[in-house]
Amino acid sequence: EDKVVQSPLSLVVHEGDTVTLNCSYEVTNFRSLLWYKQEKKAPTFLFMLTSSGIEKKSGRLSSILDKKELFSILNITATQTGDSAIYLCAVSSYNTDKLIFGTGTRLQVFP
Amino acid sequence: NAGVTQTPKFRILKIGQSMTLQCTQDMNHNYMYWYRQDPGMGLKLIYYSVGAGITDKGEVPNGYNVSRSTTEDFPLRLELAAPSQTSVYFCASSYWDRGGTDTQYFGPGTRLTVL
Repeated sequence: EDKVVQSPLSLVVHEGDTVTLNCSYEVTNFRSLLWYKQEKKAPTFLFMLTSSGIEKKSGRLSSILDKKELFSILNITATQTGDSAIYLCAVSSYNTDKLIFGTGTRLQVFP
Repeated sequence: NAGVTQTPKFRILKIGQSMTLQCTQDMNHNYMYWYRQDPGMGLKLIYYSVGAGITDKGEVPNGYNVSRSTTEDFPLRLELAAPSQTSVYFCASSYWDRGGTDTQYFGPGTRLTVL
């Protein structure tokens, strides 16, 4: 059965810390991995990763995919209180029209 | 573009009542999805559609129905509301083909409480 597992489930840090969020997956005929940020509303798209070893960056956020070990990490440097959110990882495959979501990592950043 | 819009934003139902959650997208996306998100939990797929006239069940379809008569609209119907259906409902859409993106764009959500 296809599945996506995120860790940790919850993380509490202080502003300025660097955090690493993990996403591991088991899916047949992998197509892509996506990261979303969800605050008190709908998820917003962050990154889509399809190739191993190529880092994607957006400001203080970056992500990389390892298709051999079947995981991805999302790094946030110099965290700010505005980074507090649930970060969702989702995976798609060529076998299905659907995204498979992990349960998310809840990040809380305190001043 | 307005993107993905959902109505209503909030609704309280009594057990056994029915209602329809509306979802519209103006991005000409072929794929549309309904998810529910329970407190502290991840997104669970209820139904999805790969194009007008075509729908399919997701992980948790029981108690819901959908239709897709146009590309733009994908309403979700609750026939006999139950407390277990208290949740936040998200509609999403994407353009999906072998050369395209998997990125799903989400509506703002509908918070439903069944008492």
